[in-house]
Amino acid sequence: GIQVEQSPPDLILQEGANSTLRCNFSDSVNNLQWFHQNPWGQLINLFYIPSGTKQNGRLSATTVATERYSLLYISSSQTTDSGVYFCAVDPTDSWGKLQFGAGTQVVVTP
Amino acid sequence: DAGITQSPRHKVTETGTPVTLRCHQTENHRYMYWYRQDPGHGLRLIHYSYGVKDTDKGEVSDGYSVSRSKTEDFLLTLESATSSQTSVYFCAISDGGGSYNEQFFGPGTRLTVL
Repeated sequence: GIQVEQSPPDLILQEGANSTLRCNFSDSVNNLQWFHQNPWGQLINLFYIPSGTKQNGRLSATTVATERYSLLYISSSQTTDSGVYFCAVDPTDSWGKLQFGAGTQVVVTP
Repeated sequence: DAGITQSPRHKVTETGTPVTLRCHQTENHRYMYWYRQDPGHGLRLIHYSYGVKDTDKGEVSDGYSVSRSKTEDFLLTLESATSSQTSVYFCAISDGGGSYNEQFFGPGTRLTVL
């Protein structure tokens, strides 16, 4: 099956810093989603981004499907950005069966 | 926020007992999914449903069964719970349609099997 790798596995940031999270996948996909899991365990949809670039406030994401990767940018980080960021892909050959990466644990310190 | 609730939110049970988790949605979405989350694994798909009475297996379906008798409810049953099924269980929904399949997740159920 498709492999989804996220890097880095852990990230410690000082408040106000910028960062880039990466998601690589091994096969073609129908779509890709980024989620934020907050410290209370809730999964929050950040982006639905099969290709191209989207922005939402201080967050933006870019997916280059032909090169099989996606990037999530966090600018001017805040303590509320802490948590785990997951990317999940919907493989072309198994529609609807999201395959998650292992996540990037982000800690933003004051 | 998508209208998804899960019940119970927490459960402790003993090995060998049956357990049923419920997912309820108010969005009238066609597709529903059950995932489990374990440390180091992200989320993994257990079963999913593409309509009333239509279900299929996911990546880690052994030991689980599902049922969907109404659009709004998707039940996950552990026929005889084992300690390896201790996990956090998430339900998700999507409207589907063509290649669009954005999934939205419920709050999760933390299950401990002693």
